[in-house]
Amino acid sequence: EIVLTQSPGTLSLSPGERATLSCRASQSVSSSYLAWYQQKPGQAPRLLIYGASSRATGIPDRFSGSGSGTDFTLTISRLEPEDFAVYYCQQYGSSMYTFGQGTKLEIK
Amino acid sequence: QVQLQESGPGLVKPSQTLSLTCTVSGGSISSGSYYWSWIRQPAGKGLEWIGRIYTSGSTNYNPSLKSRVTISVDTSKNQFSLKLSSVTAADTAVYYCAISPYSSSAWFDPWGQGTLVTVSS
Repeated sequence: EIVLTQSPGTLSLSPGERATLSCRASQSVSSSYLAWYQQKPGQAPRLLIYGASSRATGIPDRFSGSGSGTDFTLTISRLEPEDFAVYYCQQYGSSMYTFGQGTKLEIK
Repeated sequence: QVQLQESGPGLVKPSQTLSLTCTVSGGSISSGSYYWSWIRQPAGKGLEWIGRIYTSGSTNYNPSLKSRVTISVDTSKNQFSLKLSSVTAADTAVYYCAISPYSSSAWFDPWGQGTLVTVSS
């Protein structure tokens, strides 16, 4: 089983700042099989990025994904008030899915 | 646009079987376009994939839950279902159904709104 470790656990930033969230895998992950989600309290997760760098439908271009192998990054270029939430990375391989433990992005 | 809605008992007794259904609207579960998955999230914790089914009935399960999980599909009702046996308090969670595209199967979109299941006597 591939373990995904997200860092930091909590990120405190102000609106307008740049956020950089990390996801590290215990083994190499195909870039095609790495996704990012946003989850707000009481809501289901929402797909942001798939294939490591492709934005899902309707996702603003301030969200971008990058990385390969074992190191992946979600970047929010300029934080809006609605971006403060929990973010999860997720990988697929060998007919199995695993998620990272999440990064909470909070208002400073 | 496919939409998903979970339903089922919100309270299950320990040692019993948890049963949930996901109703699909806006698309046919027989289309062959998607894998149909169940995912859960204990309160304040992260996400855990439980398993998935394809239209053909082919299934894949999380090895950590495999001995207790059964996922099935009812094409006549456009639904798929989850059964988790021998539940304990550790199975208390919000349960989501979600779909992933058959072509790549690598991500989940969309998700249902989730349903809270509490295991308690």
